[in-house]
Amino acid sequence: EAGVAQSPRYKIIEKRQSVAFWCNPISGHATLYWYQQILGQGPKLLIQFQNNGVVDDSQLPKDRFSAERLKGVDSTLKIQPAKLEDSAVYLCASSLDLDRQVYYEQYFGPGTRLTVT
Amino acid sequence: KQEVTQIPAALSVPEGENLVLNCSFTDSAIYNLQWFRQDPGKGLTSLLLIQSSQREQTSGRLNASLDKSSGRSTLYIAASQPGDSATYLCAVRHSGAGSYQLTFGKGTKLSVIP
Repeated sequence: EAGVAQSPRYKIIEKRQSVAFWCNPISGHATLYWYQQILGQGPKLLIQFQNNGVVDDSQLPKDRFSAERLKGVDSTLKIQPAKLEDSAVYLCASSLDLDRQVYYEQYFGPGTRLTVT
Repeated sequence: KQEVTQIPAALSVPEGENLVLNCSFTDSAIYNLQWFRQDPGKGLTSLLLIQSSQREQTSGRLNASLDKSSGRSTLYIAASQPGDSATYLCAVRHSGAGSYQLTFGKGTKLSVIP
């Protein structure tokens, strides 16, 4: 079974530029998550999708971050314009979570390391 | 607000030793708890998932326990090996703003010395 795929693996941009990350979840997983992990911290949830609908984006800085999940499969996360404090690893995860009765394991991709200079 | 704390932040042990990593959480109203491993520059690998109704889970040399009422979990690693060197993260699934989100601790960095 293929895992969660992410690209690119590394990205270096200057502040005020824009950047986009792509994620392809495990086949059949209804729920997709984007996390931000700053060095030395645990991952922090940015946004959660159930199929192609947003379930929780309460911690997403909506003035500069946006995300979409077209057709309930792949997802992109965009930052525009980037700030120095956005330097972090951006992790995508997916899980079965077909309903709210049972919560399954989350499987993570390798992440994209973003450096903003 | 749910907060997850992991102690110690770093741990160094000689190969072959048994060890325990600790995780505590402030709100006992959780759905499950998951232990992950993270290698440098890599994503997270799920080790064990304990549902709120369970007390423990085992996988190979790993055993995780959950005491929901006291807000604690431990990860026990038997006969540690240099390949176990990594950062171990625990995370709890709980209700949040419109969803059932995962909140992570900062992790315990484990070094197993040959």
